[in-house]
Amino acid sequence: DAMVIQNPRYQVTQFGKPVTLSCSQTLNHNVMYWYQQKSSQAPKLLFHYYDKDFNNEADTPDNFQSRRPNTSFCFLDIRSPGLGDAAMYLCATSIRLAIHEQYFGPGTRLTVT
Amino acid sequence: SQQGEEDPQALSIQEGENATMNCSYKTSINNLQWYRQNSGRGLVHLILIRSNEREKHSGRLRVTLDTSKKSSSLLITASRAADTASYFCATDAYNYGQNFVFGPGTRLSVLP
Repeated sequence: DAMVIQNPRYQVTQFGKPVTLSCSQTLNHNVMYWYQQKSSQAPKLLFHYYDKDFNNEADTPDNFQSRRPNTSFCFLDIRSPGLGDAAMYLCATSIRLAIHEQYFGPGTRLTVT
Repeated sequence: SQQGEEDPQALSIQEGENATMNCSYKTSINNLQWYRQNSGRGLVHLILIRSNEREKHSGRLRVTLDTSKKSSSLLITASRAADTASYFCATDAYNYGQNFVFGPGTRLSVLP
């Protein structure tokens, strides 16, 4: 089945230690998104790729970076995780921007110790 | 922020009853979407309604959109315990310079 896969599902990292979360898709969608969702809150868009074009939300901290080496994979890099970065990180895809539904992966829950 | 409020924040009903959740937003949109999220899981798309549409149905779901009031509602009829989840509306305003924004969500509990 076509799907969005996130690895790992649970990630524990130490304060200040760089961490990378990965997302892959078999849907061949043009757009890939990264969201941060803290407990009992709405998902918050961090950035998205439309093909190779990177679009950063204005309020996304510089601590968060992303890479999309090919259509199928997208990575979220947190350069120096702080305690406030503990959250669920959700990857999503869509065929194109605007007027298209998003398909979400199961998420990676990040714990910072 | 693009998104306003969802109400109620939490809703508890008995199985078989209808559940209505409301969403408001602030500026023009291309479309509005509703998603469901079971606890600790990813989001699942339910319905997309375009800005020129007023009502859409999908199974037991009915969504309305009133662009003059900048509001939408999601009605779940004949609720089931399996409908217990958080429900989020999300506005897509790409043509208006605003990317995808989720509302705060409504936590629905359907009691057996």
